[in-house]
Amino acid sequence: ETGVTQSPTHLIKTRGQQVTLRCSSQSGHNTVSWYQQALGQGPQFIFQYYREEENGRGNFPPRFSGLQFPNYSSELNVNALELDDSALYLCASRHSGRIADTQYFGPGTRLTVL
Amino acid sequence: QQQVKQSPQSLIVQKGGISIINCAYENTAFDYFPWYQQFPGKGPALLIAIRPDVSEKKEGRFTISFNKSAKQFSLHIMDSQPGDSATYFCAALTQGGSEKLVFGKGTKLTVNP
Repeated sequence: ETGVTQSPTHLIKTRGQQVTLRCSSQSGHNTVSWYQQALGQGPQFIFQYYREEENGRGNFPPRFSGLQFPNYSSELNVNALELDDSALYLCASRHSGRIADTQYFGPGTRLTVL
Repeated sequence: QQQVKQSPQSLIVQKGGISIINCAYENTAFDYFPWYQQFPGKGPALLIAIRPDVSEKKEGRFTISFNKSAKQFSLHIMDSQPGDSATYFCAALTQGGSEKLVFGKGTKLTVNP
């Protein structure tokens, strides 16, 4: 096990709604990244948080936002859901002082937008 | 723009055979090249990784070959086993900064018994 948990496992929403996905990282992991994995595709980087500040963002619109908390948990919020937002959402965490190969992925949240 | 191209999309190998998955990248700033293994219902798990200052890295049955001039790298799975059946992703990143991983589209490997 990676020590990274995500909730919920599955989620169904309708177009236009808002959703919050949660991630709990290993203790000491002060860097968390979120990825979107569409069916049959590789994960795509959404953004990264370090010490509760966003410090990198992929090609995703502002309706994708995040929060990171001091207790090593984080959230991904998506507003005004669109059908194309249906995907597996992955969080990955690591300690900032460690090299990239110590990054661990959670099992993901499967979001379906109807 | 797909910065990391992966092939084949799917691969079927007999038990004991060699599985080979290829990737090519465009961004010469990439300096770390990991391979991830993903089983259904799980997140990607790091399998093996290489940096561009070496041409080959081996860990058990898994080997990465890296060709910096061609901007290509590949994963070889020796003595493939049914338990290796999974989706494999190559990725690349530039260390420092946000260190975002750029993934290929994945290869679904099936190892028949």
